[in-house]
Amino acid sequence: SQTIHQWPATLVQPVGSPLSLECTVEGTSNPNLYWYRQAAGRGLQLLFYSVGIGQISSEVPQNLSASRPQDRQFILSSKKLLLSDSGFYLCAWSVGAGSYEQYFGPGTRLTVT
Amino acid sequence: GQQLNQSPQSMFIQEGEDVSMNCTSSSIFNTWLWYKQDPGEGPVLLIALYKAGELTSNGRLTAQFGITRKDSFLNISASIPSDVGIYFCVPRTGNQFYFGTGTSLTVIP
Repeated sequence: SQTIHQWPATLVQPVGSPLSLECTVEGTSNPNLYWYRQAAGRGLQLLFYSVGIGQISSEVPQNLSASRPQDRQFILSSKKLLLSDSGFYLCAWSVGAGSYEQYFGPGTRLTVT
Repeated sequence: GQQLNQSPQSMFIQEGEDVSMNCTSSSIFNTWLWYKQDPGEGPVLLIALYKAGELTSNGRLTAQFGITRKDSFLNISASIPSDVGIYFCVPRTGNQFYFGTGTSLTVIP
């Protein structure tokens, strides 16, 4: 069966510091991968999605970037965090062909101080 | 762009009552998904709808994909305390999934 992991689970970082969040998927090949941000427990905002290694689509221009160095690994990064980057970050995957359903990881709670 | 409206925004109900929430869109979609999110966790898929007019049940949950492909509803029968959470409708087209604003459900024992 497929499993999706995210780490760390929680993170507290000062303004201006770098960020790296990691997401990995097990049990499937060539998945579509997604990064979402959720503020205040409502409304998921799509940040990036990827249909393959090295292929990243950005939905919202901002202080973040994403990379996909391996088929089942998706990384969210920032060089300098802003206070507004605080939130709940969710990684998700869907089957590459068809993509009828999407499955989410446990999330990372980021607090920028 | 697509306009997606989910209602109601929040609900407070007594345990045992039935619940109904719905989503409408300005665009046509190929799939409608319904998720539930517990606090501090990722959303979990409840029901997936693939065809216009489709009515699907999952235990006490029933959802329908509207004939026009622009709307969907989710019903929960005989609510229990563990139904508490935020429910999202998520229509899909291609590789894109669009999240509704969510319905926050509170069940009073």
